[in-house]
Order: sequence, then structure tokens, then C-alpha cells
Amino acid sequence: DAGVIQSPRHEVTEMGQEVTLRCKPISGHNSLFWYRQTMMRGLELLIYFNNNVPIDDSGMPEDRFSAKMPNASFSTLKIQPSEPRDSAVYFCASSLQGGPTGELFFGEGSRLTVL
Amino acid sequence: SQQGEEDPQALSIQEGENATMNCSYKTSINNLQWYRQNSGRGLVHLILIRSNEREKHSGRLRVTLDTSKKSSSLLITASRAADTASYFCTYNAGSNYKLTFGKGTLLTVNP
Repeated sequence: DAGVIQSPRHEVTEMGQEVTLRCKPISGHNSLFWYRQTMMRGLELLIYFNNNVPIDDSGMPEDRFSAKMPNASFSTLKIQPSEPRDSAVYFCASSLQGGPTGELFFGEGSRLTVL
Repeated sequence: SQQGEEDPQALSIQEGENATMNCSYKTSINNLQWYRQNSGRGLVHLILIRSNEREKHSGRLRVTLDTSKKSSSLLITASRAADTASYFCTYNAGSNYKLTFGKGTLLTVNP
């Protein structure tokens, strides 16, 4: 299996621009998680989906952030408009909940820099 | 929030030595998991221990779980420079699959 695939790996944009991060989970996994990692705040859970339905979005910082999962093989995290404080590494992870371990498989992350 | 608290925050040892890091949590759990993160990479699952297990081994890794103290420890034996990474714990409780992470333990293994 190819693992969790995230794109883009790096994104540099200017304040006010829209940013869309993409994630393809492992085939057959039924849960998907979006995390954000910074030095100051560590690894924060933004939102997670189960069977394509958002279950908990309490970690989404504000209305500028939105996430969708239109089908089992694709999810997006959108920031509009972006701000410099959104600069971070964004990770997507998937898992098979109800399976033997429920372990998370992480992508390599999308490093976002907002100037 | 199912966030474990790792301790110490940082640990520096020499190659060949053993490294021990700890995780504390606050509720009853189904299982507890340890992950490793190499600099700039995604987290990688290391080992899972269920609530009815007290100790588990995987290669040079040994994990213990004490549910009465709500704590777990991860021991890496005969450490190598390649073990240099941050280590995180997290856990499942009840039917909630929300997995969150603390600040982790930054392990540095000096050659």
C-alpha cells in the first residue's frame, strides 16, 4: 500500500490567500484525522472523520478553517483567508477503527508558510 | 481529550545506553499507543498495549502499563543514534476514537 498521501508537501503563500491541503487515506481505512504541528503548540488535533462524517471539529481554530471528506479516498483542509499564524506542518492520518489496533498511519505532512 | 503526558520532556544519552520515558493519563483506557517522530516526518506507530496487558515487547522496545497508577513506560534498550526522535503516547478510551498527543519526549542519542 502507498500509505497516506498528502499534497502539497510544501506551500508558501501570502497572507490573505486561500490554501487547500489534500489527503488520500489508506484504502479501506474508515477514520481520518487532520493535525497541525508547531513548536509552540505541539501536535493539535483539528478534526476527525469517521465513515466520511465529521465527528469532532472542536480543534478547528476558527471559521477560516474548513475540512471536507466527500468520499472515503479523499479529504481537504482549507484555510481562507490564510494568516501568518497558520504557518505550521499539517498532518493527515488514517486508521481502521474497530480493527485490531486502531493505530494511526500518518502522511509526511504539508509544510505551510504564510508570509 | 485523550492526551497522554510524556515525561521527561527531553532526554540525552550515549549510544548503547537504555532510554526510559513515561506517559501518564487520567481515565480508564482500552489501549495505549506509543509513536515515534523523526525530525520533519510524520509519526510512526511503535507499539500498542491493551488495558489487560502489563508488559509488551517488540524488538528493542519494552512497554509497561500500570492501570492502577494510570501510567505507562517505554524502554528502548541498547539505543542507537537512529533512535534520536520525539516519542509520543496516546490512548483509546471507551468508544471515542479521538486520539490526541502531548508534547512528547525528545530523545537524543549521541554517537
